[in-house]
Amino acid sequence: ETGVTQSPTHLIKTRGQQVTLRCSSQSGHNTVSWYQQALGQGPQFIFQYYREEENGRGNFPPRFSGLQFPNYSSELNVNALELDDSALYLCASSSGLAGVKETQYFGPGTRLLVL
Amino acid sequence: KQEVTQIPAALSVPEGENLVLNCSFTDSAIYNLQWFRQDPGKGLTSLLLIQSSQREQTSGRLNASLDKSSGRSTLYIAASQPGDSATYLCAVASGSRLTFGEGTQLTVNP
Repeated sequence: ETGVTQSPTHLIKTRGQQVTLRCSSQSGHNTVSWYQQALGQGPQFIFQYYREEENGRGNFPPRFSGLQFPNYSSELNVNALELDDSALYLCASSSGLAGVKETQYFGPGTRLLVL
Repeated sequence: KQEVTQIPAALSVPEGENLVLNCSFTDSAIYNLQWFRQDPGKGLTSLLLIQSSQREQTSGRLNASLDKSSGRSTLYIAASQPGDSATYLCAVASGSRLTFGEGTQLTVNP
């Protein structure tokens, strides 16, 4: 069984640029969630996708957007990058119904540095 | 708004010691509580999940308890080993999100 994978592993961008992060969910999982983890802090919920529809969003501005594809993989897009967007971006997948009633399985993350 | 607090923020113990990590949360309307391990610069590894109707879960040397009415959970690690050194995060599940604490950074010294 393949676990959750994310690409790229590391990324360096400059302020104002745009970035796309990718996540492949674990086999059989139909729900994908994205989290932002700043250094020394716990992860913060960005949004969740269930069967290609957004199902809940955290306190992030609209320049954070996402997609889920028919194979349940997902993208996180961030426009107009700011220095404070520098963080580890984590993707989690789960099976069953929408929400977080099932165990969430996390990928290794993408480390984004904005200069 | 759900808030999760973990105490202590950091803990250093000698190898072989039994230890307890604490987690508290403000809203008891949760589906479950999950404990994770995070190694430096890495993703999260799920350790234990306790459903809201359960009181505890065990896996090997790990035991997690949940008292939903008081908004508390503990993670007990028996006979700690240097390989247990990591940051331990608790997260409560409600709606479509996990709400995390800031973690306890554990160092087990040989």
